[in-house]
Amino acid sequence: DTGVSQNPRHKITKRGQNVTFRCDPISEHNRLYWYRQTLGQGPEFLTYFQNEAQLEKSRLLSDRFSAERPKGSFSTLEIQRTEQGDSAMYLCASSLGLTGTGLDEQYFGPGTRLTVT
Amino acid sequence: AQKITQTQPGMFVQEKEAVTLDCTYDTSDQSYGLFWYKQPSSGEMIFLIYQGSYDEQNATEGRYSLNFQKARKSANLVISASQLGDSAMYFCAMREGPRYSGGGADGLTFGKGTHLIIQP
Repeated sequence: DTGVSQNPRHKITKRGQNVTFRCDPISEHNRLYWYRQTLGQGPEFLTYFQNEAQLEKSRLLSDRFSAERPKGSFSTLEIQRTEQGDSAMYLCASSLGLTGTGLDEQYFGPGTRLTVT
Repeated sequence: AQKITQTQPGMFVQEKEAVTLDCTYDTSDQSYGLFWYKQPSSGEMIFLIYQGSYDEQNATEGRYSLNFQKARKSANLVISASQLGDSAMYFCAMREGPRYSGGGADGLTFGKGTHLIIQP
Protein backbone atom coordinates (compact mmCIF):
# COMPACT_ATOMS: atom_id res chain seq x y z
CA ASP A 1 0.00 0.00 0.00
CA THR A 2 1.59 3.28 -1.08
CA GLY A 3 -0.95 5.66 0.44
CA VAL A 4 -0.73 7.75 3.60
CA SER A 5 -0.86 5.58 6.70
CA GLN A 6 -1.66 6.54 10.27
CA ASN A 7 -1.24 4.69 13.52
CA PRO A 8 -3.00 3.89 15.67
CA ARG A 9 -6.40 3.98 14.01
CA HIS A 10 -8.16 4.31 17.35
CA LYS A 11 -6.96 5.56 20.72
CA ILE A 12 -8.88 5.74 23.96
CA THR A 13 -7.19 7.57 26.79
CA LYS A 14 -8.04 9.09 30.13
CA ARG A 15 -8.09 12.80 30.66
CA GLY A 16 -4.67 14.09 31.60
CA GLN A 17 -2.70 11.41 29.78
CA ASN A 18 -0.33 12.08 26.90
CA VAL A 19 -0.90 10.52 23.49
CA THR A 20 1.19 10.33 20.34
CA PHE A 21 0.05 9.62 16.81
CA ARG A 22 2.16 8.69 13.84
CA CYS A 23 1.74 9.53 10.15
CA ASP A 24 3.68 7.99 7.29
CA PRO A 25 3.22 10.05 4.12
CA ILE A 26 3.54 8.92 0.54
CA SER A 27 7.26 8.42 0.11
CA GLU A 28 8.10 11.11 -2.44
CA HIS A 29 5.89 13.77 -0.84
CA ASN A 30 7.67 16.78 0.65
CA ARG A 31 4.72 18.32 2.46
CA LEU A 32 2.85 16.84 5.38
CA TYR A 33 -0.27 18.29 7.00
CA TRP A 34 -2.19 17.61 10.18
CA TYR A 35 -5.92 18.29 10.50
CA ARG A 36 -8.48 17.70 13.23
CA GLN A 37 -12.08 16.75 12.50
CA THR A 38 -14.81 16.76 15.13
CA LEU A 39 -18.19 15.16 14.68
CA GLY A 40 -20.37 16.94 12.14
CA GLN A 41 -17.62 19.32 11.05
CA GLY A 42 -15.14 19.54 8.24
CA PRO A 43 -11.45 19.04 8.93
CA GLU A 44 -9.61 21.96 10.54
CA PHE A 45 -6.01 22.68 9.66
CA LEU A 46 -3.52 22.32 12.51
CA THR A 47 -0.02 22.48 11.06
CA TYR A 48 2.16 21.52 8.13
CA PHE A 49 5.74 20.59 7.31
CA GLN A 50 7.89 21.19 4.30
CA ASN A 51 10.37 18.35 4.62
CA GLU A 52 11.48 18.54 8.27
CA ALA A 53 10.60 22.22 8.78
CA GLN A 54 7.33 23.10 10.47
CA LEU A 55 6.24 26.13 8.47
CA GLU A 56 2.80 26.97 9.75
CA LYS A 57 0.75 26.38 12.85
CA SER A 58 -2.92 27.16 13.32
CA ARG A 59 -4.05 28.97 16.46
CA LEU A 60 -5.99 25.77 17.15
CA LEU A 61 -2.66 24.17 17.99
CA SER A 62 -2.37 24.97 21.68
CA ASP A 63 0.80 24.59 23.72
CA ARG A 64 -0.27 21.07 24.63
CA PHE A 65 0.12 20.00 21.02
CA SER A 66 3.47 19.39 19.39
CA ALA A 67 4.32 17.95 16.01
CA GLU A 68 7.60 16.77 14.60
CA ARG A 69 8.92 15.42 11.34
CA PRO A 70 12.50 14.68 12.30
CA LYS A 71 13.93 13.38 9.05
CA GLY A 72 11.41 14.75 6.65
CA SER A 73 9.68 11.40 6.38
CA PHE A 74 7.15 10.29 9.01
CA SER A 75 5.60 12.73 11.46
CA THR A 76 4.32 12.49 15.00
CA LEU A 77 1.64 14.55 16.71
CA GLU A 78 1.70 14.55 20.50
CA ILE A 79 -1.02 15.85 22.76
CA GLN A 80 -0.03 16.39 26.37
CA ARG A 81 -2.47 16.43 29.29
CA THR A 82 -5.39 15.44 27.09
CA GLU A 83 -8.78 17.04 27.65
CA GLN A 84 -12.21 15.77 26.66
CA GLY A 85 -12.36 18.51 24.03
CA ASP A 86 -9.44 16.86 22.27
CA SER A 87 -11.69 13.96 21.26
CA ALA A 88 -11.71 14.03 17.47
CA MET A 89 -10.42 12.38 14.33
CA TYR A 90 -6.84 13.46 13.58
CA LEU A 91 -6.12 13.37 9.87
CA CYS A 92 -2.77 13.47 8.19
CA ALA A 93 -2.26 14.42 4.55
CA SER A 94 0.73 14.71 2.27
CA SER A 95 1.48 16.36 -1.04
CA LEU A 96 4.31 16.63 -3.51
CA GLY A 97 4.85 20.30 -2.77
CA LEU A 98 4.62 21.39 -6.38
CA THR A 99 5.43 25.01 -7.07
CA GLY A 100 4.36 27.12 -9.97
CA THR A 101 1.04 25.42 -10.22
CA GLY A 102 -2.23 25.89 -8.39
CA LEU A 103 -2.98 22.27 -7.65
CA ASP A 104 -0.86 20.55 -5.07
CA GLU A 105 -3.21 17.71 -4.26
CA GLN A 106 -3.29 16.55 -0.69
CA TYR A 107 -3.71 12.82 -0.13
CA PHE A 108 -5.29 11.98 3.20
CA GLY A 109 -4.70 9.06 5.50
CA PRO A 110 -7.48 7.12 7.24
CA GLY A 111 -7.13 9.13 10.43
CA THR A 112 -6.66 8.37 14.12
CA ARG A 113 -9.81 8.57 16.18
CA LEU A 114 -9.04 9.84 19.68
CA THR A 115 -11.50 9.42 22.53
CA VAL A 116 -10.67 11.09 25.82
CA THR A 117 -12.67 9.77 28.76
CA ALA B 1 -17.58 35.06 8.75
CA GLN B 2 -17.43 31.55 7.39
CA LYS B 3 -14.80 31.11 4.72
CA ILE B 4 -16.63 28.17 3.16
CA THR B 5 -20.40 27.80 3.40
CA GLN B 6 -22.24 24.64 2.48
CA THR B 7 -25.93 25.27 3.02
CA GLN B 8 -27.21 21.73 2.51
CA PRO B 9 -26.58 19.59 5.60
CA GLY B 10 -28.19 16.59 3.90
CA MET B 11 -29.58 15.57 0.54
CA PHE B 12 -31.54 12.58 -0.72
CA VAL B 13 -31.29 11.86 -4.43
CA GLN B 14 -32.63 9.06 -6.59
CA GLU B 15 -30.06 6.85 -8.24
CA LYS B 16 -29.09 7.94 -11.77
CA GLU B 17 -30.22 11.51 -11.21
CA ALA B 18 -27.82 14.43 -11.33
CA VAL B 19 -27.12 16.24 -8.08
CA THR B 20 -25.71 19.68 -7.31
CA LEU B 21 -23.96 20.36 -4.02
CA ASP B 22 -23.70 24.03 -3.14
CA CYS B 23 -20.60 25.83 -1.96
CA THR B 24 -19.95 29.53 -1.51
CA TYR B 25 -16.67 30.97 -0.34
CA ASP B 26 -15.34 34.18 1.09
CA THR B 27 -11.92 35.55 0.28
CA SER B 28 -10.32 38.85 -0.56
CA ASP B 29 -7.41 37.19 -2.32
CA GLN B 30 -7.19 37.15 -6.09
CA SER B 31 -5.33 33.86 -6.18
CA TYR B 32 -6.96 30.87 -4.56
CA GLY B 33 -7.97 27.30 -5.23
CA LEU B 34 -11.18 25.44 -4.59
CA PHE B 35 -11.39 21.72 -3.88
CA TRP B 36 -14.05 19.11 -3.36
CA TYR B 37 -13.45 16.03 -1.24
CA LYS B 38 -15.61 12.98 -0.61
CA GLN B 39 -15.58 11.27 2.78
CA PRO B 40 -17.33 7.88 2.89
CA SER B 41 -18.28 6.27 6.16
CA SER B 42 -14.82 4.69 6.34
CA GLY B 43 -13.49 8.19 7.09
CA GLU B 44 -10.85 8.66 4.42
CA MET B 45 -10.91 11.94 2.50
CA ILE B 46 -10.91 11.39 -1.26
CA PHE B 47 -9.97 14.24 -3.60
CA LEU B 48 -12.54 14.74 -6.37
CA ILE B 49 -11.92 17.95 -8.28
CA TYR B 50 -10.06 21.25 -8.23
CA GLN B 51 -10.67 24.74 -9.64
CA GLY B 52 -8.08 27.49 -9.67
CA SER B 53 -9.25 31.07 -9.37
CA TYR B 54 -7.63 31.94 -12.68
CA ASP B 55 -9.00 28.95 -14.55
CA GLU B 56 -11.42 30.19 -17.17
CA GLN B 57 -13.09 26.89 -17.83
CA ASN B 58 -15.08 24.88 -15.32
CA ALA B 59 -13.20 21.83 -14.10
CA THR B 60 -14.44 18.35 -14.99
CA GLU B 61 -13.32 14.92 -13.79
CA GLY B 62 -15.40 12.05 -15.10
CA ARG B 63 -18.87 12.32 -13.57
CA TYR B 64 -17.82 15.32 -11.49
CA SER B 65 -17.89 18.90 -12.68
CA LEU B 66 -17.45 22.14 -10.84
CA ASN B 67 -19.78 25.02 -11.64
CA PHE B 68 -17.49 27.95 -10.89
CA GLN B 69 -19.11 31.39 -10.74
CA LYS B 70 -16.37 33.71 -9.63
CA ALA B 71 -18.43 36.88 -9.33
CA ARG B 72 -20.88 35.10 -7.06
CA LYS B 73 -18.07 33.32 -5.20
CA SER B 74 -19.74 30.04 -5.84
CA ALA B 75 -18.17 26.64 -6.61
CA ASN B 76 -20.91 24.05 -6.79
CA LEU B 77 -20.14 20.38 -7.38
CA VAL B 78 -22.28 18.59 -9.94
CA ILE B 79 -22.40 14.81 -9.97
CA SER B 80 -24.00 13.36 -13.07
CA ALA B 81 -25.77 10.00 -13.14
CA SER B 82 -25.49 9.41 -9.40
CA GLN B 83 -24.67 5.93 -8.12
CA LEU B 84 -25.30 4.22 -4.79
CA GLY B 85 -21.58 4.41 -4.09
CA ASP B 86 -21.76 8.19 -4.19
CA SER B 87 -23.44 8.19 -0.79
CA ALA B 88 -21.00 10.00 1.50
CA MET B 89 -20.11 13.33 3.08
CA TYR B 90 -18.90 15.93 0.60
CA PHE B 91 -16.67 18.80 1.61
CA CYS B 92 -15.83 21.97 -0.24
CA ALA B 93 -12.45 23.48 0.66
CA MET B 94 -10.32 26.48 -0.24
CA ARG B 95 -6.67 27.39 -0.18
CA GLU B 96 -6.03 31.12 -0.41
CA GLY B 97 -3.30 33.69 -0.15
CA PRO B 98 -0.51 35.11 -2.25
CA ARG B 99 1.62 32.12 -1.38
CA TYR B 100 -0.96 30.03 -3.11
CA SER B 101 0.10 31.17 -6.53
CA GLY B 102 3.51 29.75 -5.86
CA GLY B 103 2.28 26.30 -5.20
CA GLY B 104 -0.05 26.45 -2.25
CA ALA B 105 1.71 25.81 1.01
CA ASP B 106 -1.12 26.57 3.37
CA GLY B 107 -3.64 24.23 4.81
CA LEU B 108 -7.09 23.86 3.37
CA THR B 109 -10.15 25.53 4.91
CA PHE B 110 -13.12 23.19 4.78
CA GLY B 111 -16.86 23.75 4.95
CA LYS B 112 -19.12 21.75 7.23
CA GLY B 113 -20.05 19.34 4.51
CA THR B 114 -23.15 17.91 2.88
CA HIS B 115 -24.33 14.39 3.64
CA LEU B 116 -25.47 12.92 0.33
CA ILE B 117 -27.61 9.80 0.30
CA ILE B 118 -28.38 8.11 -3.00
CA GLN B 119 -31.58 6.09 -2.93
CA PRO B 120 -32.22 3.12 -5.25
